[in-house]
Amino acid sequence: AQSVAQPEDQVNVAEGNPLTVKCTYSVSGNPYLFWYVQYPNRGLQFLLKYITGDNLVKGSYGFEAEFNKSQTSFHLKKPSALVSDSALYFCAVRPFNDYKLSFGAGTTVTVRA
Amino acid sequence: NAGVTQTPKFQVLKTGQSMTLQCAQDMNHEYMSWYRQDPGMGLRLIHYSVGAGITDQGEVPNGYNVSRSTTEDFPLRLLSAAPSQTSVYFCASRTWDGDTGELFFGEGSRLTVL
Repeated sequence: AQSVAQPEDQVNVAEGNPLTVKCTYSVSGNPYLFWYVQYPNRGLQFLLKYITGDNLVKGSYGFEAEFNKSQTSFHLKKPSALVSDSALYFCAVRPFNDYKLSFGAGTTVTVRA
Repeated sequence: NAGVTQTPKFQVLKTGQSMTLQCAQDMNHEYMSWYRQDPGMGLRLIHYSVGAGITDQGEVPNGYNVSRSTTEDFPLRLLSAAPSQTSVYFCASRTWDGDTGELFFGEGSRLTVL
């Protein structure tokens, strides 16, 4: 069975500073990896995904993520955070041969002005 | 396109009552699923469907039923509500094209069981 760990419940950064949200995963076979963002009282919105190819994936709103197979990690990054990036971020994984997408517990990001 | 539409947005039930959470999508997505979101636990898969007439269980299926009679609709039924089912429920769908598509989520249904 696959699993996702987001080791930090909360991440606090100042506006303009780099933002990193950590994610590690466990899965049999090749993983499909995803990041989603949830704003208060809303559904989840897709940010980016890694399927195959280049380990650095670029997504919406200036976010990117780096797939590291040896460390089984898929950390989300943004070079310069905005106050509007404050939200709940979820990492998710599924094996290439399975339908089911498993989510981490989520990381709350707060960007202070 | 409306995307994924869930109703109701809020519901309060008494223990033992039954109800149905509705989910409809207008994107012709083959895959549909239901998740529940609880604090500190992320999203957990309840049931999913890969097409009309086909459903399967996820991680936490007990106490819930689903059916998929059309491509568009995927209702979630609570047979006899329990306080442990107090949660926020999300319906999500995706295309089957290439099997690498991302999920599209509804706005959620907040359920309280007293």
